[in-house]
Amino acid sequence: SQQGEEDPQALSIQEGENATMNCSYKTSINNLQWYRQNSGRGLVHLILIRSNEREKHSGRLRVTLDTSKKSSSLLITASRAADTASYFCATVVLQGAQKLVFGQGTRLTINP
Amino acid sequence: EAQVTQNPRYLITVTGKKLTVTCSQNMNHEYMSWYRQDPGLGLRQIYYSMNVEVTDKGDVPEGYKVSRKEKRNFPLILESPSPNQTSLYFCASGHHGTSVSNGELFFGEGSRLTVL
Repeated sequence: SQQGEEDPQALSIQEGENATMNCSYKTSINNLQWYRQNSGRGLVHLILIRSNEREKHSGRLRVTLDTSKKSSSLLITASRAADTASYFCATVVLQGAQKLVFGQGTRLTINP
Repeated sequence: EAQVTQNPRYLITVTGKKLTVTCSQNMNHEYMSWYRQDPGLGLRQIYYSMNVEVTDKGDVPEGYKVSRKEKRNFPLILESPSPNQTSLYFCASGHHGTSVSNGELFFGEGSRLTVL
């Protein structure tokens, strides 16, 4: 089963609005990462948050991590049409093999 | 320019005809991995490699082989492709030290494979 599961599966908002996506995971983690994928293209790393961090910012991105709830959220502020993409969270289990496990992603559509 | 290069980008083949998808990275990364992406199933890891001559199975290794004879290359081999291997394949690499969780993965642009 997938380690990370994103919610919602799809999100459609107007340009300029904020977009929030959530990720839940099942086991203890070292770090959690967020990636973006434009349609049919490779994934691009956005941000990494460590298990001892609660919040991290990068430009218009804000990521939070709640290890007690085993969840993370990605907030994109002041969305732009170019933000239209699928967003994935990815984690590595502490005791497992060296593999980054991805959720199924949130498909974000920004309407002009 | 730092990049992960996959070839071919698109391929249509027939059942049973051996094929190789090449992957090369120019960032001197120790870690390399192959994923397949299917609708409704997300990204699933096929194989990964922690360094030269060190490979291990991911979640869906059946029907695939890999080799890591050089640090920069990590080819994915389908000895006898079947229609259920029709998918979008991604190669990724990273420099992680002791754990792949420590840093980002760099992805190739993907190889769309159709097996008839």
